[in-house]
Amino acid sequence: NAGVTQTPKFQVLKTGQSMTLQCAQDMNHEYMSWYRQDPGMGLRLIHYSVGAGITDQGEVPNGYNVSRSTTEDFPLRLLSAAPSQTSVYFCASSYSSISGTIMPQHFGDGTRLSIL
Amino acid sequence: TQLLEQSPQFLSIQEGENLTVYCNSSSVFSSLQWYRQEPGEGPVLLVTVVTGGEVKKLKRLTFQFGDARKDSSLHITAAQPGDTGLYLCAGARGATNKLIFGTGTLLAVQP
Repeated sequence: NAGVTQTPKFQVLKTGQSMTLQCAQDMNHEYMSWYRQDPGMGLRLIHYSVGAGITDQGEVPNGYNVSRSTTEDFPLRLLSAAPSQTSVYFCASSYSSISGTIMPQHFGDGTRLSIL
Repeated sequence: TQLLEQSPQFLSIQEGENLTVYCNSSSVFSSLQWYRQEPGEGPVLLVTVVTGGEVKKLKRLTFQFGDARKDSSLHITAAQPGDTGLYLCAGARGATNKLIFGTGTLLAVQP
């Protein structure tokens, strides 16, 4: 049981390039989300999905696109990379919340992205 | 706007000492979680609290959710080097898994 798998682990891009960060989970979780982590700011929600075909914006969605064609996969696309997008990106998955209680979020090990 | 503020931001202590980490907000949360993150890895859930005033214990870790559900604390008794890591609180409002994370507390326990 692999849990949440993120690829690549490291990536260096030039300003203006595009790329896709991959995220896959094998726990049949309905809910998936993308966060970025910057020093002193905790994790900030970029986009999330409550099921296949359904996505919505989080706190910092600008410059990022997502899609959810299957339950297992939730890729994050950077359309035109900017230095401000240098960060560590985490994907997480969980079962849907029950009675207003948040469920345990299972995180991948992150993708460390540098934009030059 | 950072809705969850953690203090202290950094904490370096000796093995065997006690410590408390605080997570404060002006907003009410329906439930709150604490995670620990080690270098090069994603956060791992420690506990979920859902009721105002709730206290949960996990071995040497004691978690409390404020009566008004606006704040929380994590107390570690007799800290060990294995407790070293980044501690993150995260709150949710309503029936949702959308989490608002705190700013984080980096704990270093020296042997």
